[in-house]
Amino acid sequence: DGGITQSPKYLFRKEGQNVTLSCEQNLNHDAMYWYRQDPGQGLRLIYYSQIVNDFQKGDIAEGYSVSREKKESFPLTVTSAQKNPTAFYLCASSPGPYEKLFFGSGTQLSVL
Amino acid sequence: RKEVEQDPGPFNVPEGATVAFNCTYSNSASQSFFWYRQDCRKEPKLLMSVYSSGNEDGRFTAQLNRASQYISLLIRDSKLSDSATYLCVVNFARNTGNQFYFGTGTSLTVIP
Repeated sequence: DGGITQSPKYLFRKEGQNVTLSCEQNLNHDAMYWYRQDPGQGLRLIYYSQIVNDFQKGDIAEGYSVSREKKESFPLTVTSAQKNPTAFYLCASSPGPYEKLFFGSGTQLSVL
Repeated sequence: RKEVEQDPGPFNVPEGATVAFNCTYSNSASQSFFWYRQDCRKEPKLLMSVYSSGNEDGRFTAQLNRASQYISLLIRDSKLSDSATYLCVVNFARNTGNQFYFGTGTSLTVIP
């Protein structure tokens, strides 16, 4: 079945540590997105990519980094510069302009 | 000003009731509109796209008013399984790519 796979489901980060969240899709979508969701808040855009080897900052990119070396993969690194990383992270993809978003099942990141 | 505004609720309604949610958006260039459903600690799932002429899917009816820049969702004959958070999503294209903006979500609890 086609879809978006995020891993791990739960992740714990120590102080000063970088962690990477995986996102893989087999839907052949060009556009991919990373969102952060805090309790009681809407989804906020971290980074997005419309095509391989290109990506753009979203509204809250500070303390995060991404890469898009393959169409299928869009990993997100939460760096030590992100001082409040505890949140639910969602990866999504879209087949084209004005088309709906498809979501992965999310990663809950917590700080030890 | 937020791109998308929603009444967060909560809405607590009895089974069988009709309930309506509204959402306003600020960018008149917005091109596509969606309602997503999100259960606690799960990924959002598409409930329905919203078209200019309005559209219906079983007990759910969505309306779009471009002049007033709002969209609505009507749920008839509420079921216990309708309990969830409903997210209003608006999409428009920037020169850097296609972006989606989310409301904070409206919480619905259907009571037996």
